[in-house]
Formats: sequence, structure tokens, C-alpha cells
Amino acid sequence: QVQLQESGPGLVKPSGTLSLTCAVSGASITSRTWWTWVRQPPGKGLEWIGETYHDGDTNYNPPLASRATVSADKSKNQFFLNLNSVTAADTAVYYCVRKPTVTDTFDYWSPGTLVTVSS
Amino acid sequence: DIVMTQSPDSLAVSLGERATVNCRSSQSVLKRSNNRNYLAWYQQKAGQPPKLILYWASTRESGVPDRFSGSGSGTDFTLTISSLQAEDVAVYYCQQYYTTPYTFGQGTKLEIK
Repeated sequence: QVQLQESGPGLVKPSGTLSLTCAVSGASITSRTWWTWVRQPPGKGLEWIGETYHDGDTNYNPPLASRATVSADKSKNQFFLNLNSVTAADTAVYYCVRKPTVTDTFDYWSPGTLVTVSS
Repeated sequence: DIVMTQSPDSLAVSLGERATVNCRSSQSVLKRSNNRNYLAWYQQKAGQPPKLILYWASTRESGVPDRFSGSGSGTDFTLTISSLQAEDVAVYYCQQYYTTPYTFGQGTKLEIK
């Protein structure tokens, strides 16, 4: 069974860098899959951040493209999100998500982790 | 970007009755090459991550009850729950995966009347 579990600091200072890791089990990072990050501000809707393929290819949501980096480590079967120059507007629950190329849908989601940007 | 607009924002339906949620995209999400609509529906219960329930506009994800169905093509889509159960209380989101940036509707909150 596919499982994704994110980890990282729950509190980040303004202007700092938000760094999250997603550990994948039950599936290989090198499978035909885009590994994705989605976020949800408290009480609000869903926003796609970006995605990476195991060959290093990436796609980003344009408003976040200058600040976000999504990457993967095949040896650890993990993928990562770095978001720099954060502000309070980046406070959200962050999800790591699997998007297999056969359907292109977000079929497995992590439980989600709340990251708060505050001094 | 493709803008996804759902209606209504909230909905209260009696147990056993039909619930209908609408979703409109600002441009077509039908890919002519394979005649598929790149439209998915997700269910998000309180305190949980979203759960995929339908994709290609009308294909149920494995394990999803058959009371959930999807219809529509091009720019207009509908999620129907044929007989509302208590466990269906949730926020429902449509999402286009036709092109990046992938975008979601604002969500429809479904409650029991």
C-alpha cells in the first residue's frame, strides 16, 4: 500500500526557508509518477505548488516558481520542497501527493503538516 | 491559468436524497487526442487530506461507492451523490489536470439538512 509521510519544522520565521521532506513507501520514486506538493491555508482551498519527476524534470505554479524548489532523492525514496523568502501568506497545511502518469490524478496524499510562518 | 468555479458554495441535503455539485472551467479540459476530460473530484472530510473520488470526469476511483457519479464534458461538469449518507459530509473540490498550473475549484461544503 502506498503511503506518503511529510516531515519538517512546524514553525518558520518570516524571510526564512520552509523545508519539507516526503518519505514514500509502497512505491518507487523512479516509477512513472510525478511527485507533487499541494498546500491549503487554514480554512481555505487547495493550491498546487509544483512537482518533480525522478529524472529531475520539474513544473511549478508560476506565482511560486521563483521561490520554490521540488527535488527527489532516489536512494532514499524521498522528495522535498524548499520554499524561500516565506511570509505569513505561506502559512498552510502542506501535503505531498503522488500523481501517476497513467491517470495524471492526485491519487495518494500524505496526512498533511501545518507550517506556520511567524516570528 | 484555467479557473475552476464551483456552485453552490454550500449545500444542505436530507439523508437519502440526491446531492448535486457543479463545476465550470474557464476553458475546455477535453483533450481531443484521447477524447478524455481532464477533470477530477476530491472529497475532503474535516481534519483529513483530500481523497480522490472521480477522474476523467466520470471514472470512480477504486473503492468509491457507486452512489457517487460524475458527468459533463468540455467546460461544465457535475458531481452527483444519488442517496446522501451521513459519511458523505465533507467539502468537495473539482480540479483540472489538463494543463499546469493544475487548479482547483473553491470547494462546496455538503451538510445534512
